[in-house]
Amino acid sequence: AQTVTQSQPEMSVQEAETVTLSCTYDTSENNYYLFWYKQPPSRQMILVIRQEAYKQQNATENRFSVNFQKAAKSFSLKISDSQLGDTAMYFCAFMKTGTASKLTFGTGTRLQVTL
Amino acid sequence: EAGVVQSPRYKIIEKKQPVAFWCNPISGHNTLYWYLQNLGQGPELLIRYENEEAVDDSQLPKDRFSAERLKGVDSTLKIQPAELGDSAVYLCASSPDSAETQYFGPGTRLLVL
Repeated sequence: AQTVTQSQPEMSVQEAETVTLSCTYDTSENNYYLFWYKQPPSRQMILVIRQEAYKQQNATENRFSVNFQKAAKSFSLKISDSQLGDTAMYFCAFMKTGTASKLTFGTGTRLQVTL
Repeated sequence: EAGVVQSPRYKIIEKKQPVAFWCNPISGHNTLYWYLQNLGQGPELLIRYENEEAVDDSQLPKDRFSAERLKGVDSTLKIQPAELGDSAVYLCASSPDSAETQYFGPGTRLLVL
């Protein structure tokens, strides 16, 4: 079974600054996807970024980028130029490839962006 | 393109009453998921459908929970009878197929009194 660990329950960052959210996972699989989802107070779970395990290049999406370390089973999210609208819960999630496509989520990190 | 639609957004019921949640996935998405999200936790899968077939319902408490996806499009999740511990957010998600990124609806917040 897969497990996902987010060790930072809460974080705070000032507007325009950079913040990094940590995520580690445990799996015996070799082929899988990793995701970061954002859940603002409105509760809609929104995809932030996705990483395929077979790709060595770290995924980027505008101000969001990841540091994927497969050997260390680490998958951190960096948010650059933080904006007030980035305030939300951030969930790291794992999904193995193939037909068994259950997402396994971490417990989340609550990010507060302040003025 | 319309996203995943769920209704109702909020539901308050008394314990032992039945309740039902509805989900309309993104058009063309064959795979549909129901997740349960307890307060302060990440979502956990309840059931996954491939078209109209439930292919993973191992985490669904079958004594009180049931689900259906008629015609492989909309889905309904039912609880009967509801218990206090069922208070949570019920999320629906869909993906083009089982190996693709999942897109979530806004969820239904259930409060059982």
